[in-house]
Amino acid sequence: AQKITQTQPGMFVQEKEAVTLDCTYDTSDQSYGLFWYKQPSSGEMIFLIYQGSYDEQNATEGRYSLNFQKARKSANLVISASQLGDSAMYFCAMREDFGNEKLTFGTGTRLTIIP
Amino acid sequence: SQTIHQWPATLVQPVGSPLSLECTVEGTSNPNLYWYRQAAGRGLQLLFYSVGIGQISSEVPQNLSASRPQDRQFILSSKKLLLSDSGFYLCAWRSHRDSRRDTQYFGPGTRLTVL
Repeated sequence: AQKITQTQPGMFVQEKEAVTLDCTYDTSDQSYGLFWYKQPSSGEMIFLIYQGSYDEQNATEGRYSLNFQKARKSANLVISASQLGDSAMYFCAMREDFGNEKLTFGTGTRLTIIP
Repeated sequence: SQTIHQWPATLVQPVGSPLSLECTVEGTSNPNLYWYRQAAGRGLQLLFYSVGIGQISSEVPQNLSASRPQDRQFILSSKKLLLSDSGFYLCAWRSHRDSRRDTQYFGPGTRLTVL
């Protein structure tokens, strides 16, 4: 069964600093995808970045990058040069491939950027 | 570009009353559609998904049901609401191509309070 663990319920980071949000996962499949979403106070889930299990390079999208360590089953999100607008809940999620429609979410990390 | 709509945005209903939440997607055809529920301070739980008109898969047995009467319309219903049905309901869509890179995109959500 799929499982996502986010061990940081809350984080406070100074503006302009980099921040790493932790995510570990558990799956017996070899082919899967990992996703990060941002949920601001409005509630909408905003897709940030995707990493495939067979991707050789870590994914990057603007200020977001994913530190993917397959052997450790971790997929940490790195936000560089944090901004006040980055304050939100962040969720890590996983989908096993080949016909599996289920996206399994972690419990999230609440990130607060301090001016 | 694709957009996803949900209504109503907020809803307060008494216990035992019926429920109907609607989700529509624009700008794509034959999408995979999903209903999630998020309890306060928690991650997302997949309730139902649909890969085509009239095709509904349930992930969690509960007081709710889903229907897909049209290609880009997904409805979440209940005949009698329970207090435990309170939460934030999110609809999502994904391309039917089933590429492992296809992420799910979420609507703005409906906040349901059952009193």
